[in-house]
Amino acid sequence: LAKTTQPISMDSYEGQEVNITCSHNNIATNDYITWYQQFPSQGPRFIIQGYKTKVTNEVASLFIPADRKSSTLSLPRVSLSDTAVYYCLVGVLTGGGNKLTFGTGTQLKVEL
Amino acid sequence: DVKVTQSSRYLVKRTGEKVFLECVQDMDHENMFWYRQDPGLGLRLIYFSYDVKMKEKGDIPEGYSVSREKKERFSLILESASTNQTSMYLCASGSTGARNYGYTFGSGTRLTVV
Repeated sequence: LAKTTQPISMDSYEGQEVNITCSHNNIATNDYITWYQQFPSQGPRFIIQGYKTKVTNEVASLFIPADRKSSTLSLPRVSLSDTAVYYCLVGVLTGGGNKLTFGTGTQLKVEL
Repeated sequence: DVKVTQSSRYLVKRTGEKVFLECVQDMDHENMFWYRQDPGLGLRLIYFSYDVKMKEKGDIPEGYSVSREKKERFSLILESASTNQTSMYLCASGSTGARNYGYTFGSGTRLTVV
């Protein structure tokens, strides 16, 4: 199972771009990389998922280098409401019971 | 809107009680999970199920059991609640496949054992 490493916390200001990097050196060939956002007292919410290169949606971009040993979640022009914990998750759900394990996440704090 | 529903948002139980936490999903997902979340420890997997009546231990199964009699429902059971099981409990479901668009989580149950 791919173990992930993220910074414990990051600080930013409104309007700035925030990049959170996740290391996953032992990622497997079939693994996807998924990022979640969690607000206090709520369950995590899916943000974006990718396999290689770049993925963009209305919320964020995900950059994955060719070796796939890391990934970077990019949040453009953050606002106060982006203050949350961000989790990187690596793996794939297959029938037969493999599990996906969350790391401790990155606490992003956005200030005025 | 598809979702995962946990039966209780807040729960207070006494030490030694048998506690049932219920989770229902309406997405026809094969996989369901129970996590607990404590400050500074992130999300820790208790048990998961990849099919009806199938269950697998996660990273911290001690003191817990689970039941999955129907595809849409996954129950977490604390056989004899203890104060160290005071926590936020999160249920999640996900489909099998290489590109599964991740888990869908419930809103959580904050359990206090006194």
